[in-house]
Amino acid sequence: AQKVTQAQTEISVVEKEDVTLDCVYETRDTTYYLFWYKQPPSGELVFLIRRNSFDEQNEISGRYSWNFQKSTSSFNFTITASQVVDSAVYFCALTGRGSNYKLTFGKGTLLTVNP
Amino acid sequence: NAGVTQTPKFQVLKTGQSMTLQCAQDMNHEYMSWYRQDPGMGLRLIHYSVGAGITDQGEVPNGYNVSRSTTEDFPLRLLSAAPSQTSVYFCASSYSGILGGEQYFGPGTRLTVT
Repeated sequence: AQKVTQAQTEISVVEKEDVTLDCVYETRDTTYYLFWYKQPPSGELVFLIRRNSFDEQNEISGRYSWNFQKSTSSFNFTITASQVVDSAVYFCALTGRGSNYKLTFGKGTLLTVNP
Repeated sequence: NAGVTQTPKFQVLKTGQSMTLQCAQDMNHEYMSWYRQDPGMGLRLIHYSVGAGITDQGEVPNGYNVSRSTTEDFPLRLLSAAPSQTSVYFCASSYSGILGGEQYFGPGTRLTVT
């Protein structure tokens, strides 16, 4: 069985602060993919990143960066110099070879960036 | 490309009524799925399909039916609505056979059952 844990239910920061959203996963698959999605107040789900289990390189995209560590089964997401527009619910998700394309989501972290 | 479309955007039902939530995609994706989102619960998989004529249950299938007669459409049927089915429903699609393909989500349907 797959499981994704986002221990932080809510985080509140002041604009320009850096913030890290934690994601810990469990899977028996050796081949799997991890995702982050953003859900702004408007409600749509926006794909941010996909990472496969064989690629542990960290990724940076503008103010966003992701740290994938298989040794600790973690896929953490950092926003540098946060902005009010970053306020959203962020979901971490997992799919594996044994899951038949099923995507398992964490419960999400509500990030509020205050001006 | 319209991507993934869902209708209606909002719906209010009375307990016991039935209805169908529509989902369509124009990207020729084999894989389609339905999720429900409840406060504090994340997104939970209801049903999914890996191609026309093939469907399977997800984590929370009770009270819902699906069918997949075409690649484009994947409707979700509520047989007898209950207040516990009050939720936001998302449809998603992706390429099949490529593990880890990005799932494209529709805009969601907000359903209230009174």
